Amino acid sequence: QQQVRQSPQSLTVWEGETAILNCSYEDSTFNYFPWYQQFPGEGPALLISIRSVSDKKEDGRFTIFFNKREKKLSLHITDSQPGDSATYFCAALSGSFNKLTFGAGTRLAVCP
Amino acid sequence: ETAVFQTPNYHVTQVGNEVSFNCKQTLGHDTMYWYKQDSKKLLKIMFSYNNKQLIVNETVPRRFSPQSSDKAHLNLRIKSVEPEDSAVYLCASRRVTGQLYFGEGSKLTVL
Repeated sequence: QQQVRQSPQSLTVWEGETAILNCSYEDSTFNYFPWYQQFPGEGPALLISIRSVSDKKEDGRFTIFFNKREKKLSLHITDSQPGDSATYFCAALSGSFNKLTFGAGTRLAVCP
Repeated sequence: ETAVFQTPNYHVTQVGNEVSFNCKQTLGHDTMYWYKQDSKKLLKIMFSYNNKQLIVNETVPRRFSPQSSDKAHLNLRIKSVEPEDSAVYLCASRRVTGQLYFGEGSKLTVL
């Protein structure tokens, strides 16, 4: 049972475009949603996160939009750069549990 | 800045051998994890320790066993490796706010 779903599986955009990565979840107890960025040969690193009390979180070119009612969120990367090419994981944490559940990831390629 | 250290980063071995991966975090966190990342990049939690106590133990084969000497160290032993154990094993520690810090990973190849 996949509790956190991501789409698309892979995405290619041109440099300067906005990349939109989608995530949805099932468990209504999830209240913290971090996005992790992973480059080949490295471990995932926290990129940006949002708590369920907010509907938007912005950090430079990265913005999370959160819709609690629909249990959906998205990561927008504006002015995409080739250096943004990586795999992005949406994750979810419930205050009741001690484990972070990850989606399957979206592989982003930014072409120059 | 790396604060979760894993060794070795790569290990190639044959079916039936024993393997150990070590992990140390210098962040002062109480909670540490082992995740398995397969060839499709799927991340699955295996174990979680809080201050040397096992608190999460997902359904993993018995040949996997975590070992913690103190809250800064969490090692993973695989008693008799199988081909399906080939993967990247990621150690992580967690802040109380929920943020995970991952190591670079230990890639296991079982021939």
